[in-house]
Amino acid sequence: EVQLVESGGGLVQPGRSLRLSCRASGFTFGDYGMSWFRQAPGKGLEWVGFIRSRAFGGTKEYAASVKGRFTLSRDDSKSIAYLQMDSLKIEDTAVYHCTRALHSSGWYFSDYWGQGTLVTVSS
Amino acid sequence: EIVMTQSPATLSVSPGERATLSCRASQSVSSNLAWYQQKPGQAPRLLIYGASTRATGIPARFSGSESGTEFTLTISSLQSEDFAVYHCQQYNKWPWTFGQGTKVEIK
Repeated sequence: EVQLVESGGGLVQPGRSLRLSCRASGFTFGDYGMSWFRQAPGKGLEWVGFIRSRAFGGTKEYAASVKGRFTLSRDDSKSIAYLQMDSLKIEDTAVYHCTRALHSSGWYFSDYWGQGTLVTVSS
Repeated sequence: EIVMTQSPATLSVSPGERATLSCRASQSVSSNLAWYQQKPGQAPRLLIYGASTRATGIPARFSGSESGTEFTLTISSLQSEDFAVYHCQQYNKWPWTFGQGTKVEIK
């Protein structure tokens, strides 16, 4: 059974940093891309970023709203994906979900989602 | 970026009735369109990818179709567990973008 469990969320002041982790199980982690999404309270879903598998270069994509502040990484030996969030802003407050990204017919899409971890940015 | 527009915002349907949800892309996304179901306090669940392919374990009452940049999710006979928010998302081009969601509520 595919499982994704996020951790590392919490209350943080504006301008500070936080690192989220996503522990994966039930599949060969290194074979998949991983993506992060967020959902602000009462709002819709927003894509944050994506990291390819090593086989596809491990390259990354970021939403414009987080580019230069957030960094994706992965540790395939531990089956963990990370989201390093620096220079946090109040508008980054949201539940952050990690997802497994399936590669199909030349495209990636997210097929399994974690329950999410809440990040609150407030002074 | 590609703007995804869902309609209606809220759909009131009686159990057993058919529900039709729409999603329009501001430009071509080919067939790279997914639908997700989200219940309160839960993570989204993949229903449809490739515009019309059901994900593993998704009941046959869920179906997806496309016509150009217009996409439709149809739930043929609503069950109690289907009342939720439905999101469409394009994965054809970065950044991935979502519609604002359609809430399917009990009439």
